Amino acid sequence: DTEVTQTPKHLVMGMTNKKSLKCEQHMGHRAMYWYKQKAKKPPELMFVYSYEKLSINESVPSRFSPECPNSSLLNLHLHALQPEDSALYLCASSQDSGDQETQYFGPGTRLLVL
Amino acid sequence: GQNIDQPTEMTATEGAIVQINCTYQTSGFNGLFWYQQHAGEAPTFLSYNVLDGLEEKGRFSSFLSRSKGYSYLLLKELQMKDSASYLCAVRDLDNAGNMLTFGGGTRLMVKP
Repeated sequence: DTEVTQTPKHLVMGMTNKKSLKCEQHMGHRAMYWYKQKAKKPPELMFVYSYEKLSINESVPSRFSPECPNSSLLNLHLHALQPEDSALYLCASSQDSGDQETQYFGPGTRLLVL
Repeated sequence: GQNIDQPTEMTATEGAIVQINCTYQTSGFNGLFWYQQHAGEAPTFLSYNVLDGLEEKGRFSSFLSRSKGYSYLLLKELQMKDSASYLCAVRDLDNAGNMLTFGGGTRLMVKP
């Protein structure tokens, strides 16, 4: 089983809203990732969690706030987003964050900020 | 940092063979991945190369030459469902953790 699930599939929010994206995996993976992907562009890494601790923050604005409540769950809290934040947000996981580990992606949440 | 180049678009015919190239420049190469991504869907893992040579997996094969900073993905017996974007991603020892840097992707259109 290499399934990573994400909810919601689609989200429309205003610039003053607060919302959260959720990601879940039950493969026992200890590394989880958030990526942002704009149309016809490759995924761009936002955050990496390794063993439930934030290990990498790729200079992401503070209006994006990740949270890893346990080893199976990863959230991305959104607040005061801008229209240019509209994108596909992908979650991925891997066995750990070391070498030789393949990342498996969830289906993504398509976000539209109005 | 990394510089990863792949063609933007390719077109091929059903049943044919297509080769998608990827060149990269990196200071501490530590593996290259190919992912397939259908429009509006998540990338799915296809292959991983860290040593020189060819890795074959059914209709898909991936080749790596570290000295040339070059990889290709070979798709045989093309099917219509192979129409997708193919992403080359490189892992660099200089990057913390398991960070991947993706190329721009190659959009492959398979025609009847």
